[in-house]
Amino acid sequence: GAVVSQHPSRVICKSGTSVKIECRSLDFQATTMFWYRQFPKKSLMLMATSNEGSKATYEQGVEKDKFLINHASLTLSTLTVTSAHPEDSSFYICSASLAGLTSTDTQYFGPGTRLTVL
Amino acid sequence: GESVGLHLPTLSVQEGDNSIINCAYSNSASDYFIWYKQESGKGPQFIIDIRSNMDKRQGQRVTVLLNKTVKHLSLQIAATQPGDSAVYFCAEIVSRASGAQKLVFGQGTRLTINP
Repeated sequence: GAVVSQHPSRVICKSGTSVKIECRSLDFQATTMFWYRQFPKKSLMLMATSNEGSKATYEQGVEKDKFLINHASLTLSTLTVTSAHPEDSSFYICSASLAGLTSTDTQYFGPGTRLTVL
Repeated sequence: GESVGLHLPTLSVQEGDNSIINCAYSNSASDYFIWYKQESGKGPQFIIDIRSNMDKRQGQRVTVLLNKTVKHLSLQIAATQPGDSAVYFCAEIVSRASGAQKLVFGQGTRLTINP
């Protein structure tokens, strides 16, 4: 149980285009989903937290207009990288939790999406 | 500040030996810590967690130790196997002023198990 999927697993796009990444909780309803970014050989950095039906909360330094997050249902959140540039190339990982992030709740991670912007 | 860091970026261990991965955290108010394993090209996998009211917790071949006095966390893996080769991250739950919480990851340690 508690499986989170991401699609696509890899994407290559041209500079200036937009890319959408999907995150789905397959066997549970996720009230809260999180989006992380990971550069090569680096740690995961939280980009934003999204709750179903409300606006995402972005971390300091993350551009809201560049990284659009939609959490329209309890099983799906999407991250759209708008007008992508080579510096946006990274490994994007989502996670989902049942009832937000508390000390008693577990966060389940997706397998990640490798974005390469040419 | 809120940061969780690793003492050693890489660690090589002979198969069958025990390994210890260390982590230092800075937020003394944190009350929940988690160790994750990340294999190449994959998302993090939960290994074991520990709350601040404990100083030791054991799982299958893994033990987490928490020393709140010096804000230090360690992960011990017993009888290492080739499949243990991965990057290991410690993470802590950090509370914001709003009451919401977020997961803060450490830098990670790459563990290599040598045959």
